[in-house]
Amino acid sequence: DAKTTQPTSMDCAEGRAANLPCNHSTISGNEYVYWYRQIHSQGPQYIIHGLKNNETNEMASLIITEDRKSSTLILPHATLRDTAVYYCIVRPSWENNDMRFGAGTRLTVKP
Amino acid sequence: DTAVSQTPKYLVTQMGNDKSIKCEQNLGHDTMYWYKQDSKKFLKIMFSYNNKELIINETVPNRFSPKSPDKAHLNLHINSLELGDSAVYFCASSPGVGYGYTFGSGTRLTVV
Repeated sequence: DAKTTQPTSMDCAEGRAANLPCNHSTISGNEYVYWYRQIHSQGPQYIIHGLKNNETNEMASLIITEDRKSSTLILPHATLRDTAVYYCIVRPSWENNDMRFGAGTRLTVKP
Repeated sequence: DTAVSQTPKYLVTQMGNDKSIKCEQNLGHDTMYWYKQDSKKFLKIMFSYNNKELIINETVPNRFSPKSPDKAHLNLHINSLELGDSAVYFCASSPGVGYGYTFGSGTRLTVV
């Protein structure tokens, strides 16, 4: 019942920006967009989230289109340690709703 | 000083046994969760507790029983283990709506 669509896999050259797209065409006005990643054999790691405005933190930037039907996670200077599965999730802002993970995008950063 | 810690990290047991996995968070978060990641790597929510009260209980066999003695702990007890229970189980916590989750490093359960 995932509400998002992501490419199955992507490659990126080390040191270049990694741009991971996510489509969420049925998103409603009170749903946030969250991004997580899971490095092999580790627990998922929260990266960033946003509602309407673009967001930036020490890990990444999140660009949300004006109609909010898609977003892009940007890792500005990818390193080999950024190789992971990246999950885009939409989640309502009211109580008692959990994060529902889809298949995600497997990002491989190559030297 | 691990934020969300799970024990044990690995658990190998025979079919039919009963086992428990423990989770503790030192972040002061109100909500805790259990997720299951199967061999196909899909992460599925199992349970959610808010301040020791069960909030979400997905379609999980009643052999799985979560217990929250206080809001910093959420344990998972599994009765009559089956081969299909083999998976990695992740605990997570969150301060509430509008925040991301912090996950533990997982417990790999193997039923033989």
